[in-house]
Amino acid sequence: GESVGLHLPTLSVQEGDNSIINCAYSNSASDYFIWYKQESGKGPQFIIDIRSNMDKRQGQRVTVLLNKTVKHLSLQIAATQPGDSAVYFCAENIQGAQKLVFGQGTRLTINP
Amino acid sequence: DTAVSQTPKYLVTQMGNDKSIKCEQNLGHDTMYWYKQDSKKFLKIMFSYNNKELIINETVPNRFSPKSPDKAHLNLHINSLELGDSAVYFCASSRTSGETQYFGPGTRLLVL
Repeated sequence: GESVGLHLPTLSVQEGDNSIINCAYSNSASDYFIWYKQESGKGPQFIIDIRSNMDKRQGQRVTVLLNKTVKHLSLQIAATQPGDSAVYFCAENIQGAQKLVFGQGTRLTINP
Repeated sequence: DTAVSQTPKYLVTQMGNDKSIKCEQNLGHDTMYWYKQDSKKFLKIMFSYNNKELIINETVPNRFSPKSPDKAHLNLHINSLELGDSAVYFCASSRTSGETQYFGPGTRLLVL
């Protein structure tokens, strides 16, 4: 069945702090993972991705960590800004399935 | 220069009506998708087309019929609309299946 889930449905952090959004997956055949950001009234927007042969990837203010041993994915956002407030989704590509499976989503709120 | 576009953005209609949502991508991608996002923000894939051929049909009722006239377009026709069809429908595309998907702005469907 659907395997991607998130530990926390909501997360509030102070502006300027770092935030970590977690995601658990259960399919060991997943070979590609993506984080999306969805702002209110908009479609999901690609943030960063990582393949299963890596355990860390960095972008601008964002880092994705992949722990295949415990099937865990996280998104770290450094020095959060008000514009980071959104719902964040993790998604996994199950090898051969030809589709992404999305997690439940975490709503991140940045407090001024 | 919108990459993935959908029309209409909002759709309010009566139960029992038939309606269509259109999607176009100018990214040159081979694969296109339709997703349904419910009120709890859960994203569920409905259909996937690769080069005009249906590759995924996620047990969606027969009232939903996708059509891909060419690989840049994927339309969704819904017959006999029901209250439970109210949701946001997102179109997405990717270079090929299993790769990063880029989403349109969504169509907010409300069935009364």
